[in-house]
Amino acid sequence: QKEVEQDPGPLSVPEGAIVSLNCTYSNSAFQYFMWYRQYSRKGPELLMYTYSSGNKEDGRFTAQVDKSSKYISLFIRDSQPSDSATYLCAMDKNSGNTPLVFGKGTRLSVIA
Amino acid sequence: EAGVAQSPRYKIIEKRQSVAFWCNPISGHATLYWYQQILGQGPKLLIQFQNNGVVDDSQLPKDRFSAERLKGVDSTLKIQPAKLEDSAVYLCASSLVNTHQPQHFGDGTRLSIL
Repeated sequence: QKEVEQDPGPLSVPEGAIVSLNCTYSNSAFQYFMWYRQYSRKGPELLMYTYSSGNKEDGRFTAQVDKSSKYISLFIRDSQPSDSATYLCAMDKNSGNTPLVFGKGTRLSVIA
Repeated sequence: EAGVAQSPRYKIIEKRQSVAFWCNPISGHATLYWYQQILGQGPKLLIQFQNNGVVDDSQLPKDRFSAERLKGVDSTLKIQPAKLEDSAVYLCASSLVNTHQPQHFGDGTRLSIL
Protein backbone atom coordinates (compact mmCIF):
# COMPACT_ATOMS: atom_id res chain seq x y z
CA GLN A 1 0.00 0.00 0.00
CA LYS A 2 1.39 3.39 -1.01
CA GLU A 3 1.83 5.93 1.80
CA VAL A 4 -0.35 8.50 0.02
CA GLU A 5 -3.18 7.68 -2.39
CA GLN A 6 -4.73 10.25 -4.71
CA ASP A 7 -7.11 9.69 -7.62
CA PRO A 8 -5.32 11.01 -10.73
CA GLY A 9 -8.56 11.90 -12.51
CA PRO A 10 -8.86 13.64 -14.89
CA LEU A 11 -11.69 15.66 -13.36
CA SER A 12 -13.68 18.01 -15.57
CA VAL A 13 -16.21 20.50 -14.13
CA PRO A 14 -18.15 23.52 -15.43
CA GLU A 15 -17.10 27.01 -14.41
CA GLY A 16 -18.62 27.99 -11.05
CA ALA A 17 -18.81 24.44 -9.71
CA ILE A 18 -17.55 23.36 -6.31
CA VAL A 19 -14.57 21.03 -6.68
CA SER A 20 -13.62 18.40 -4.12
CA LEU A 21 -10.15 16.83 -4.24
CA ASN A 22 -9.08 14.13 -1.81
CA CYS A 23 -6.16 12.08 -0.55
CA THR A 24 -5.88 9.19 1.84
CA TYR A 25 -2.75 8.13 3.67
CA SER A 26 -1.56 5.19 5.70
CA ASN A 27 1.17 6.61 7.96
CA SER A 28 -0.28 7.98 11.21
CA ALA A 29 2.99 9.85 11.83
CA PHE A 30 2.11 12.50 9.24
CA GLN A 31 1.47 15.81 10.98
CA TYR A 32 1.73 18.48 8.27
CA PHE A 33 -0.51 18.50 5.22
CA MET A 34 -0.17 20.59 2.11
CA TRP A 35 -1.84 21.14 -1.22
CA TYR A 36 0.23 22.24 -4.17
CA ARG A 37 -1.05 23.42 -7.55
CA GLN A 38 1.04 22.60 -10.61
CA TYR A 39 0.39 24.19 -13.98
CA SER A 40 1.71 22.50 -17.10
CA ARG A 41 5.50 22.83 -17.41
CA LYS A 42 5.77 24.70 -14.11
CA GLY A 43 6.88 23.71 -10.62
CA PRO A 44 4.45 22.97 -7.77
CA GLU A 45 3.09 26.11 -6.08
CA LEU A 46 2.01 25.95 -2.43
CA LEU A 47 -1.73 26.57 -2.02
CA MET A 48 -2.65 25.46 1.47
CA TYR A 49 -0.70 24.34 4.52
CA THR A 50 -2.28 22.82 7.63
CA TYR A 51 -1.04 21.21 10.81
CA SER A 52 -2.92 18.24 12.33
CA SER A 53 -6.71 17.96 12.09
CA GLY A 54 -9.16 20.73 11.27
CA ASN A 55 -10.15 23.16 8.57
CA LYS A 56 -8.36 26.08 6.98
CA GLU A 57 -9.88 28.58 4.58
CA ASP A 58 -8.14 30.94 2.18
CA GLY A 59 -10.38 32.76 -0.26
CA ARG A 60 -12.10 30.21 -2.50
CA PHE A 61 -9.99 27.36 -1.11
CA THR A 62 -10.72 25.25 1.98
CA ALA A 63 -8.47 22.47 3.25
CA GLN A 64 -9.75 19.82 5.63
CA VAL A 65 -7.76 17.23 7.56
CA ASP A 66 -9.33 14.27 9.35
CA LYS A 67 -6.49 12.41 11.04
CA SER A 68 -8.81 9.80 12.57
CA SER A 69 -9.78 8.71 9.05
CA LYS A 70 -6.38 9.52 7.51
CA TYR A 71 -8.19 11.62 4.91
CA ILE A 72 -7.54 15.12 3.61
CA SER A 73 -9.57 17.26 1.22
CA LEU A 74 -9.29 20.46 -0.76
CA PHE A 75 -12.45 22.29 -1.78
CA ILE A 76 -12.49 24.96 -4.46
CA ARG A 77 -15.59 27.19 -4.55
CA ASP A 78 -16.73 29.09 -7.64
CA SER A 79 -14.15 27.30 -9.78
CA GLN A 80 -12.58 29.27 -12.63
CA PRO A 81 -10.87 28.18 -15.85
CA SER A 82 -7.63 29.50 -14.32
CA ASP A 83 -7.96 26.76 -11.67
CA SER A 84 -7.28 24.16 -14.39
CA ALA A 85 -4.09 22.46 -13.21
CA THR A 86 -2.83 19.36 -11.41
CA TYR A 87 -3.39 19.41 -7.65
CA LEU A 88 -0.89 17.51 -5.52
CA CYS A 89 -1.41 16.62 -1.89
CA ALA A 90 1.75 16.35 0.20
CA MET A 91 2.53 15.52 3.79
CA ASP A 92 5.40 15.03 6.18
CA LYS A 93 6.09 13.77 9.67
CA ASN A 94 8.22 16.10 11.66
CA SER A 95 8.37 19.61 12.88
CA GLY A 96 11.67 20.19 11.20
CA ASN A 97 12.60 20.24 7.54
CA THR A 98 11.82 16.82 6.17
CA PRO A 99 11.08 15.56 2.69
CA LEU A 100 7.50 15.67 1.51
CA VAL A 101 5.59 12.57 0.48
CA PHE A 102 3.35 13.41 -2.45
CA GLY A 103 0.25 11.89 -3.97
CA LYS A 104 0.16 11.31 -7.72
CA GLY A 105 -1.82 14.49 -8.33
CA THR A 106 -5.34 15.04 -9.69
CA ARG A 107 -5.65 16.78 -13.04
CA LEU A 108 -8.52 19.28 -12.99
CA SER A 109 -10.11 21.04 -15.96
CA VAL A 110 -12.64 23.83 -15.40
CA ILE A 111 -14.67 24.41 -18.54
CA ALA A 112 -15.95 27.92 -19.32
CA GLU B 1 11.55 37.80 -3.35
CA ALA B 2 13.13 35.85 -6.20
CA GLY B 3 12.06 32.24 -6.45
CA VAL B 4 14.06 29.06 -6.87
CA ALA B 5 16.03 29.23 -10.13
CA GLN B 6 16.83 26.13 -12.17
CA SER B 7 18.66 25.59 -15.43
CA PRO B 8 18.50 24.36 -18.06
CA ARG B 9 14.73 24.17 -18.53
CA TYR B 10 14.96 21.34 -21.03
CA LYS B 11 17.60 18.78 -21.90
CA ILE B 12 17.63 15.95 -24.44
CA ILE B 13 20.44 13.40 -24.36
CA GLU B 14 21.07 9.86 -25.49
CA LYS B 15 21.26 6.99 -23.04
CA ARG B 16 24.63 6.45 -21.44
CA GLN B 17 25.50 10.15 -21.80
CA SER B 18 25.97 12.41 -18.77
CA VAL B 19 23.95 15.48 -17.79
CA ALA B 20 24.04 18.10 -15.03
CA PHE B 21 21.35 20.35 -13.58
CA TRP B 22 21.82 23.53 -11.57
CA CYS B 23 19.72 25.06 -8.78
CA ASN B 24 19.90 28.40 -6.99
CA PRO B 25 17.58 28.42 -3.96
CA ILE B 26 15.73 31.35 -2.45
CA SER B 27 18.16 33.65 -0.63
CA GLY B 28 18.57 32.61 2.99
CA HIS B 29 17.08 29.12 2.53
CA ALA B 30 19.53 26.70 4.12
CA THR B 31 17.62 23.54 3.21
CA LEU B 32 17.63 22.38 -0.40
CA TYR B 33 15.91 19.37 -1.95
CA TRP B 34 16.11 17.62 -5.30
CA TYR B 35 12.99 15.74 -6.38
CA GLN B 36 12.34 13.57 -9.43
CA GLN B 37 8.88 13.79 -11.00
CA ILE B 38 8.06 11.10 -13.55
CA LEU B 39 5.14 11.85 -15.89
CA GLY B 40 1.84 11.22 -14.13
CA GLN B 41 3.45 10.88 -10.69
CA GLY B 42 4.06 13.13 -7.72
CA PRO B 43 7.59 14.33 -6.98
CA LYS B 44 9.85 11.86 -5.19
CA LEU B 45 12.80 12.98 -3.06
CA LEU B 46 16.28 12.22 -4.36
CA ILE B 47 18.43 14.14 -1.87
CA GLN B 48 18.15 16.75 0.87
CA PHE B 49 20.88 19.19 1.94
CA GLN B 50 21.11 21.44 4.92
CA ASN B 51 23.72 24.09 4.20
CA ASN B 52 26.44 22.05 2.46
CA GLY B 53 25.77 18.79 4.31
CA VAL B 54 23.65 15.85 3.12
CA VAL B 55 20.67 15.13 5.41
CA ASP B 56 18.98 12.37 3.40
CA ASP B 57 20.18 10.62 0.25
CA SER B 58 18.57 7.25 0.91
CA GLN B 59 16.60 7.30 -2.36
CA LEU B 60 19.39 8.59 -4.58
CA PRO B 61 20.63 5.93 -7.07
CA LYS B 62 24.23 6.47 -6.11
CA ASP B 63 25.66 4.27 -8.87
CA ARG B 64 24.64 6.93 -11.41
CA PHE B 65 23.40 10.03 -9.58
CA SER B 66 25.49 12.51 -7.61
CA ALA B 67 24.78 15.90 -6.10
CA GLU B 68 26.74 18.58 -4.35
CA ARG B 69 26.19 21.89 -2.63
CA LEU B 70 29.72 23.02 -1.98
CA LYS B 71 29.23 26.52 -0.53
CA GLY B 72 25.80 25.93 1.00
CA VAL B 73 23.97 27.92 -1.68
CA ASP B 74 23.82 26.64 -5.28
CA SER B 75 23.56 22.94 -5.99
CA THR B 76 24.21 20.66 -8.94
CA LEU B 77 22.70 17.26 -9.66
CA LYS B 78 24.49 14.97 -12.11
CA ILE B 79 23.48 11.75 -13.86
CA GLN B 80 26.17 9.57 -15.38
CA PRO B 81 25.44 7.40 -17.30
CA ALA B 82 21.79 8.19 -18.05
CA LYS B 83 19.21 5.44 -18.54
CA LEU B 84 15.90 5.60 -20.38
CA GLU B 85 14.01 5.46 -17.05
CA ASP B 86 15.68 8.72 -15.95
CA SER B 87 13.37 10.66 -18.27
CA ALA B 88 11.55 12.95 -15.84
CA VAL B 89 11.33 16.48 -14.51
CA TYR B 90 13.99 17.27 -11.90
CA LEU B 91 12.67 19.75 -9.37
CA CYS B 92 14.67 21.75 -6.86
CA ALA B 93 12.99 23.08 -3.72
CA SER B 94 14.23 25.13 -0.77
CA SER B 95 13.02 26.11 2.68
CA LEU B 96 14.09 27.90 5.82
CA VAL B 97 15.27 25.86 8.81
CA ASN B 98 14.58 25.65 12.56
CA THR B 99 10.78 25.72 12.38
CA HIS B 100 8.45 23.94 10.04
CA GLN B 101 8.58 25.91 6.85
CA PRO B 102 6.92 25.10 3.56
CA GLN B 103 9.05 24.15 0.60
CA HIS B 104 9.16 26.39 -2.46
CA PHE B 105 9.80 24.79 -5.83
CA GLY B 106 11.52 25.88 -9.00
CA ASP B 107 10.04 25.13 -12.43
CA GLY B 108 12.31 22.15 -12.93
CA THR B 109 14.48 20.72 -15.69
CA ARG B 110 12.65 18.44 -18.12
CA LEU B 111 15.01 15.62 -19.15
CA SER B 112 14.36 13.37 -22.12
CA ILE B 113 16.55 10.33 -22.75
CA LEU B 114 16.62 8.97 -26.31
